[in-house]
Amino acid sequence: GESVGLHLPTLSVQEGDNSIINCAYSNSASDYFIWYKQESGKGPQFIIDIRSNMDKRQGQRVTVLLNKTVKHLSLQIAATQPGDSAVYFCAENMAGGYNKLIFGAGTRLAVHP
Amino acid sequence: GAVVSQHPSRVICKSGTSVKIECRSLDFQATTMFWYRQFPKQSLMLMATSNEGSKATYEQGVEKDKFLINHASLTLSTLTVTSAHPEDSSFYICSAIGGKVAAETQYFGPGTRLLVL
Repeated sequence: GESVGLHLPTLSVQEGDNSIINCAYSNSASDYFIWYKQESGKGPQFIIDIRSNMDKRQGQRVTVLLNKTVKHLSLQIAATQPGDSAVYFCAENMAGGYNKLIFGAGTRLAVHP
Repeated sequence: GAVVSQHPSRVICKSGTSVKIECRSLDFQATTMFWYRQFPKQSLMLMATSNEGSKATYEQGVEKDKFLINHASLTLSTLTVTSAHPEDSSFYICSAIGGKVAAETQYFGPGTRLLVL
């Protein structure tokens, strides 16, 4: 079936560097995408979202890029901090899908001092 | 805004017993709540979608008689794992959507760790 996938299961970065987490989605009918951060033993925390009529959206230290041509989504974290260490999930919402989300496999981000 | 709570945060029970997990939206009215389960080092798997006042819609492969869902009010949904067995041990997470603060984005609860002995 169609699913959201991630290229890298684990990403290690140095504190202060920029991080880029990638996600490939296969459902061309998806019109809304969300990045969540999940710390160990906790529920996912909303980071940033983007609609399919946009290709870039910026938040505080985070930027999401959407490339519909190749069905690719990325999350950029500027000046990565130890507190950014977590598992990051991308999720897609199909148009007309009654707000159901399909989650990717997740990428673990490890920030080293 | 958009705070979702769950209770209990962790529960240990004996095989064959039933366990109820509560999910509450604290600062908004949740027209729809979702229940997920997550195994270690895996992604979230949607179990069911629950709309206030109506029967839950279960995902393929999820037994509705095993996982009873009740969404009796706009701020509370419950998941009851009936006759729990060790293979039901997992991390159960709810999310909610609704109102202005959570109009289209699912906000998640902190999760409930279930261990069945």
